[in-house]
Amino acid sequence: KQEVTQIPAALSVPEGENLVLNCSFTDSAIYNLQWFRQDPGKGLTSLLLIQSSQREQTSGRLNASLDKSSGRSTLYIAASQPGDSATYLCAVVDSNYQLIWGAGTKLIIKP
Amino acid sequence: EPEVTQTPSHQVTQMGQEVILRCVPISNHLYFYWYRQILGQKVEFLVSFYNNEISEKSEIFDDQFSVERPDGSNFTLKIRSTKLEDSAMYFCASRSTGRETQYFGPGTRLLVL
Repeated sequence: KQEVTQIPAALSVPEGENLVLNCSFTDSAIYNLQWFRQDPGKGLTSLLLIQSSQREQTSGRLNASLDKSSGRSTLYIAASQPGDSATYLCAVVDSNYQLIWGAGTKLIIKP
Repeated sequence: EPEVTQTPSHQVTQMGQEVILRCVPISNHLYFYWYRQILGQKVEFLVSFYNNEISEKSEIFDDQFSVERPDGSNFTLKIRSTKLEDSAMYFCASRSTGRETQYFGPGTRLLVL
């Protein structure tokens, strides 16, 4: 059974710092991996999708990497801003095309 | 930009009552999903729907749950007799084909008293 783990559970950094969020998954048979952002009490915003054949994807200050063989992905946020404060969720699409979710990393960027 | 919409945004109901959560997926999407997130817990898959039938469902999606696409635009989740533990945020999602991302609605927060 696919399990997705995210560490750390929470992270607080000063504004302007670069940071890395980690995601690991137990079964490498995935179609793709997605990173989402969730603001408190709000919906889910897709940030980046990495196909299983890809190694990384970039969008603005965000860069996501995927190492399928080791079951790991990272989300790199450059030059963090207070508006980046949110919970970041990692999810993998399994062989049944279901999204299996991590518990998220709660990120706080201090001004 | 097209988006998935959900109504209502909040619903409070008494235990044992039926609720219907509504979703309008993006118009050219063919695959539809329901997820839920109990407060403080992971997002959980409930059900996927394609070509007017359920494709996959999780263990959570028991006989108390049903989904329907009553017309060309709406996708509904019905809970027949709500329990306290059904209190959660329910998210609808849709996608087109192939390996496209799923697009999520803003969610319906359900509170069962």
